[in-house]
Amino acid sequence: DIQLTQSPSFLSASVGDRVTITCRASQGISSYLAWYQQKPGKAPKLLIYAASTLQSGVPSRFSGSGSGTEFTLTISSLQPEDFATYYCQQLRDFGQGTRLEIK
Amino acid sequence: QVQLQESGPGLVKPSGTLSLTCAVSGGSISSSNWWSWVRQPPGKGLEWIGEIYHSGSTNYNPSLKSRVTISVDKSKNQFSLKLSSVTAADTAVYYCARGGAIFGVVIKGFDPWGQGTLVTVSS
Repeated sequence: DIQLTQSPSFLSASVGDRVTITCRASQGISSYLAWYQQKPGKAPKLLIYAASTLQSGVPSRFSGSGSGTEFTLTISSLQPEDFATYYCQQLRDFGQGTRLEIK
Repeated sequence: QVQLQESGPGLVKPSGTLSLTCAVSGGSISSSNWWSWVRQPPGKGLEWIGEIYHSGSTNYNPSLKSRVTISVDKSKNQFSLKLSSVTAADTAVYYCARGGAIFGVVIKGFDPWGQGTLVTVSS
């Protein structure tokens, strides 16, 4: 089984900050990697798929990159509504999540 | 736009069978996508349970495979989940989601998702 490990698990940042979340796979994987944002009590929301393709309607401050075993989600300038938990997913496996909180 | 809605009992007794249905609206379940179930225990992360194609082909999480059955009803444009021999560890919010596929491979992520339904396993 492929394990996806996100780092950090917890991140404290301020509005306007640039933040990066990393997703590492236990072995080389395809670029079929997706990123989701989840807010409390809500279903996950697809942000990025195929490692770097922005889902329709998602703000351009979100971007994804990577290949092989390391992928990143970057938020270029944090907005108040971005504070949430983020998950990576490769095909059907999910990372453990990264909780992004306001500093 | 496609919308998904889960339904089913919110309380299941230990050793019983959890049964949920996901109704698909605004689109056809016979489109070239996979249809998945994902769960999230309270305060924890996401766990993929399994998926089905409109043809009836299924894939299951190996850790749950012995207890899971996913089926599709094209006439009602819905798909269903059955999880048997449940314990308290199966208490979770259960989501259904569409896996965007190209040539049968889910490369476009899961979107949309249903709102989720909390299922509690308790006597």
